Amino acid sequence: KAGVTQTPRYLIKTRGQQVTLSCSPISGHRSVSWYQQTPGQGLQFLFEYFSETQRNKGNFPGRFSGRQFSNSRSEMNVSTLELGDSALYLCASSLEGGSQYFGPGTRLTVL
Amino acid sequence: QKEVEQNSGPLSVPEGAIASLNCTYSDRGSQSFFWYRQYSGKSPELIMFIYSNGDKEDGRFTAQLNKASQYVSLLIRDSQPSDSATYLCAVKESGNTGKLIFGQGTTLQVKP
Repeated sequence: KAGVTQTPRYLIKTRGQQVTLSCSPISGHRSVSWYQQTPGQGLQFLFEYFSETQRNKGNFPGRFSGRQFSNSRSEMNVSTLELGDSALYLCASSLEGGSQYFGPGTRLTVL
Repeated sequence: QKEVEQNSGPLSVPEGAIASLNCTYSDRGSQSFFWYRQYSGKSPELIMFIYSNGDKEDGRFTAQLNKASQYVSLLIRDSQPSDSATYLCAVKESGNTGKLIFGQGTTLQVKP
């Protein structure tokens, strides 16, 4: 079974721009969660989607948003990028209530 | 603020030894606990999960859970240099949520 895929793998943006990241879950997984990983803060939860509904949201500003499509694919968007948004953005998929499996991540650099 | 605490290390063990990694958590209602391994430059890889008090073994890995003490551990037997990585403890937040709360991770170095 194919794993979680994320695109793009690397992204360089400048301050003030916006970015959209994409995640395709493992086939059959309907739950998708997003995390941000930085050296200082570690892995922090952004949001969780299940059946196109946001079920949970972490403590991030409204510039961070996401959505899930009917095929369970998910996107997250960050608007008005700041230098501090530079991070590895990880998507994880799971069966409902099950273990989460991570994709390879998108490395975002904001200049 | 729900927290997960790990010793950042590095924890250095010789090849063939047992590596013991520990984690404490603050959310008393948590029911699900996970260990992820993360190699430098890669994403976290799930290696163990545990839901019940006691031990769970999978190959060279044993996860131990003590809910009364709010303590989770991971033992790696016959450690190999390829086990050198950062090990992340994750706790699923209590309630109807898929949110994982991660510790900062423990860096393990296995010396040949």
